[in-house]
Amino acid sequence: EVQLVQSGGGVVRPGGSLRLSCAASGFTFDDYGMSWVRQGPGKGLEWVSGINWNGGSIGYADSVKGRFIISRDNTKNSLYLQVNSLRAEDTAFYFCARHSGGSFPTPLDFWGQGTLVTVSS
Amino acid sequence: NLMLTQPHSVSGSPGKTITISCTRSSGRIASNFVQWYQQRPGSSPTIVIYEDDKRPSGVPDRFSGSIDSSSNSASLTISGLKTEDEADYYCQSYDNTHLAHLVFGGGTKLTVL
Repeated sequence: EVQLVQSGGGVVRPGGSLRLSCAASGFTFDDYGMSWVRQGPGKGLEWVSGINWNGGSIGYADSVKGRFIISRDNTKNSLYLQVNSLRAEDTAFYFCARHSGGSFPTPLDFWGQGTLVTVSS
Repeated sequence: NLMLTQPHSVSGSPGKTITISCTRSSGRIASNFVQWYQQRPGSSPTIVIYEDDKRPSGVPDRFSGSIDSSSNSASLTISGLKTEDEADYYCQSYDNTHLAHLVFGGGTKLTVL
């Protein structure tokens, strides 16, 4: 069974940092691209960042470029998102999601449970 | 920047059929595949249609997808509405200039009356 288990959310002050993690199981992790998608309170889905199967291709939404860093460790079957210089508008549930193929563009076929990041002073 | 525009809400009675549209702001709708995701309250999204009109295993055949080049839009149709279909639905495609960049529509709230 495909599972994506997320951790690392929390409350952080403006300008602060967090590291979000997504532990994968039930499939061959390094066969698939991965993405992070966020959802602000009462809002829609917003793609944040994506990475292909080996980390050789990475993309960021303009809203987070230069502040967030996506990475993966295929030896640990894990995906990460380092979120820096946080702003109030970054407050959201953050979902990790698996692409259906190793690279882009492919659909997101499995999603994690989400982790809440709250930016507040 | 690419935008996908969806109606804010749609509603229908049990057993009826509804259609949710997703209009692409620039570039041809057929140039990049469209996906549809369902998000029930308090849950993570799940995919219900991929590559314009394909259904993942486990998704009922009451769900169907299509694209219309004349209106530059994609559509999700749900027939035989059930109360369990009540959810938010999001279309998703890709930016031609950055194929790694996913773009989501604003979402449509489906109410089953």
